[in-house]
Amino acid sequence: DTEVTQTPKHLVMGMTNKKSLKCEQHMGHRAMYWYKQKAKKPPELMFVYSYEKLSINESVPSRFSPECPNSSLLNLHLHALQPEDSALYLCASSSPPGRLLSGANVLTFGAGSRLTVL
Amino acid sequence: ELKVEQNPLFLSMQEGKNYTIYCNYSTTSDRLYWYRQDPGKSLESLFVLLSNGAVKQEGRLMASLDTKARLSTLHITAAVHDLSATYFCAVEGAETSYDKVIFGPGTSLSVIP
Repeated sequence: DTEVTQTPKHLVMGMTNKKSLKCEQHMGHRAMYWYKQKAKKPPELMFVYSYEKLSINESVPSRFSPECPNSSLLNLHLHALQPEDSALYLCASSSPPGRLLSGANVLTFGAGSRLTVL
Repeated sequence: ELKVEQNPLFLSMQEGKNYTIYCNYSTTSDRLYWYRQDPGKSLESLFVLLSNGAVKQEGRLMASLDTKARLSTLHITAAVHDLSATYFCAVEGAETSYDKVIFGPGTSLSVIP
């Protein structure tokens, strides 16, 4: 299985709703990521969960919160979002070799969850 | 802070022509990646470049890395319409404490008959 599965593919929510995006991989990868991508822009890193350690991009507002129930799942909880949060949310996974080792950290991306906040 | 730049940002080229996309980055790194994104789709990995002087080729695309100049190039040979997509280079910062892959702004390529 060489896929990263994201659900739902599309989500429309109001600003007072609480929802979650889910991401799952069964490739044995040790790192999972959430990226946010606005139209015609590059993906922006939000969170990294790598070797059981969560790292956060400090510019991400607290209305986004990641949860990693186990090494193959990474959820993104959404609460009190704003219309400007509407975007494509991409999950990715990889097997980072680490700073002291040679090798590649190739990201495998899911198909994305397109979020619209009304 | 790691910065990644690409040029051009938009490229319209005729089928059969050659062109090069450039990727510059601001910090020492020996890991550079190229990804492709089709409209409305996710990203897929194209090339991994792990050392100075590395060159990889796949079909009509060839990527190279010069770590001393902090420059990677993606060369397109005899373009065909199927190559129309957005191409991103991505770099891992050597100084970060976690595995942080930062993407350039992307080059939107349109190949016209």
